[in-house]
Amino acid sequence: EIVLTQSPATLSLSPGERATLSCRASQSVSSYLAWYQQKPGQAPRLLIYDASNRATDIPARFSGSGSGTDFTLTISSLEPEDFAVYYCQQRNNWPSTFGQGTRLEIK
Amino acid sequence: QVQLQESGPGLVKPSQTLSLTCTVSGGSISSGSYYWSWIRQPAGKGLEWIGRVYTSGNTNYNPSLKSRVTISVDTSKNQFSLKLSSVSAADTAVYYCARDNYGGDIYGLDVWGQGTTVTVSS
Repeated sequence: EIVLTQSPATLSLSPGERATLSCRASQSVSSYLAWYQQKPGQAPRLLIYDASNRATDIPARFSGSGSGTDFTLTISSLEPEDFAVYYCQQRNNWPSTFGQGTRLEIK
Repeated sequence: QVQLQESGPGLVKPSQTLSLTCTVSGGSISSGSYYWSWIRQPAGKGLEWIGRVYTSGNTNYNPSLKSRVTISVDTSKNQFSLKLSSVSAADTAVYYCARDNYGGDIYGLDVWGQGTTVTVSS
């Protein structure tokens, strides 16, 4: 099973700042990595698929990069609604696995 | 616009079988290139993919749960279901059904149900 390690566990930033979230895989997942956003009491929402492609209706301030074992989710300028938990997920190998999450909180 | 809705008991006794159903509305479960999936999340913790089913009936299960899981699809009712046997307190979680899209225009869990909380307790 591929283990995804996200860092940092918690990121404290202010609206308008740039957020950089990291996801590292225990072995190569090629570009088959997705990012999800989850707010309290809600289901996760797909943001990025295949490392760098924005899902439907996702704002351009969200971008993804990376391949192999190292991936980054960048939020260029934080809006108040962006403070949430973010998960990465690989689909290169079954079972598909998720990272443990990064909590993005308001500073 | 496709929507998913989980249903089933919110309380299950230890050693019994957890049974949940996901109803797909706004589209046919048989159309498109999708896997129909179950994912769970214990309170305050991360996400675990339980398994998925194709409309053909073929399934993939997480090896960690494979001996206890059955996922099936009923295309006539536009539903798919989860059965998890021999449950314990460790199975207490929010259970989500989700659509796993591999159609080429987008890849990933692009539609989710709202989730249903299942507690295992006597």
